[in-house]
Amino acid sequence: NAGVTQTPKFQVLKTGQSMTLQCAQDMNHEYMSWYRQDPGMGLRLIHYSVGAGITDQGEVPNGYNVSRSTTEDFPLRLLSAAPSQTSVYFCASSYLETGLSGANVLTFGAGSRLTVL
Amino acid sequence: GQNIDQPTEMTATEGAIVQINCTYQTSGFNGLFWYQQHAGEAPTFLSYNVLDGLEEKGRFSSFLSRSKGYSYLLLKELQMKDSASYLCAVIDSNYQLIWGAGTKLIIKP
Repeated sequence: NAGVTQTPKFQVLKTGQSMTLQCAQDMNHEYMSWYRQDPGMGLRLIHYSVGAGITDQGEVPNGYNVSRSTTEDFPLRLLSAAPSQTSVYFCASSYLETGLSGANVLTFGAGSRLTVL
Repeated sequence: GQNIDQPTEMTATEGAIVQINCTYQTSGFNGLFWYQQHAGEAPTFLSYNVLDGLEEKGRFSSFLSRSKGYSYLLLKELQMKDSASYLCAVIDSNYQLIWGAGTKLIIKP
């Protein structure tokens, strides 16, 4: 089982450039999400999806786009990179549970470290 | 606003016991997670609490008091490999995860 696969692991961009962070999972998880992690702050949710064709905004969606054409893939697009988007990005997935259940444990990808100059 | 507080950093000695606290103020409560994150790696699941009390899992235990908005993670028989950040996260009334900034635990020989 590969789990959650993120690419690339490292990327350096210039201000204004665009790029896509790839995320794929092979666990048939309905729920997928993108977080950013910055020093001294908790993980912040960027966008999430509860199934193919369904996406929604999280806490910090500005400057990012997502799509979910298949259950397995959930790419994150930066259309015009800014230095404020320098961060470590994590893709995470889980089964979708709406009850009081610990079954919705997130499985994280290894992370993508992005630097915007 | 929603808030989760954890100490920024703690230091402990190999073989000892350490308790990492987490206090939360959220709109509703539907469970609390603890995750471990080694430097440069992804967070990995440690424990889940939804009812008051202590959940024990090997060397690690997690406690929850919903009335006090308080949880702790207890690590026993500390090993050097336990050096990591420990993240507390609460599921709020909208089933969204609210994350603390994490506690960096340094283990000294």
